[in-house]
Amino acid sequence: KNQVEQSPQSLIILEGKNCTLQCNYTVSPFSNLRWYKQDTGRGPVSLTIMTFSENTKSNGRYTATLDADTKQSSLHITASQLSDSASYICVAGLSGGYNKLIFGAGTRLAVHP
Amino acid sequence: GAGVSQSPRYKVAKRGQDVALRCDPISGHVSLFWYQQALGQGPEFLTYFQNEAQLDKSGLPSDRFFAERPEGSVSTLKIQRTQQEDSAVYLCASSLELAGYEQYFGPGTRLTVT
Repeated sequence: KNQVEQSPQSLIILEGKNCTLQCNYTVSPFSNLRWYKQDTGRGPVSLTIMTFSENTKSNGRYTATLDADTKQSSLHITASQLSDSASYICVAGLSGGYNKLIFGAGTRLAVHP
Repeated sequence: GAGVSQSPRYKVAKRGQDVALRCDPISGHVSLFWYQQALGQGPEFLTYFQNEAQLDKSGLPSDRFFAERPEGSVSTLKIQRTQQEDSAVYLCASSLELAGYEQYFGPGTRLTVT
């Protein structure tokens, strides 16, 4: 069964600190790995998209890594800001057809002053 | 509009009522997706349209769920005889290309069935 698992479920950090979120996926046929940010009451917004041949991709203070051999990904957030408080969802895309997406349950991040 | 819009943003229905949720994708986007997001969970795929053709409806949980996109732009998700387990946020996303990487999500419709 295609599935994406994320850890931790929730995380609290102080403003200015760094953090790393983890993702394991069991998806076949695998095409790409995405990280989305979802603010409360909003739809998900794409942060990074990596194909199976990419190891890392950055978007400002967000850096995602991908190890396609171990089927693991991480999202590192540097110098956190209060506005980073949100859910971060790891998503695996299937190859073939229309790029069907399999979502994880998300990590809920709270950044405190 | 600049992004994907959905209406209504909130809907309360009594058990057994029918509801219709609307999605306006980004103009010109070929692909349109519907997802269901339960509280504290990630979105789950419901159905996919390529223009007006519904190419995948494997995620629809029961035959009470029906989606259409008759002119290849606006889409409607209809739920008949709503049940409490239908309570969730329903997200719509659109993509420019047939197998486009980037999916742009709307804000969702929060459905509460009482």
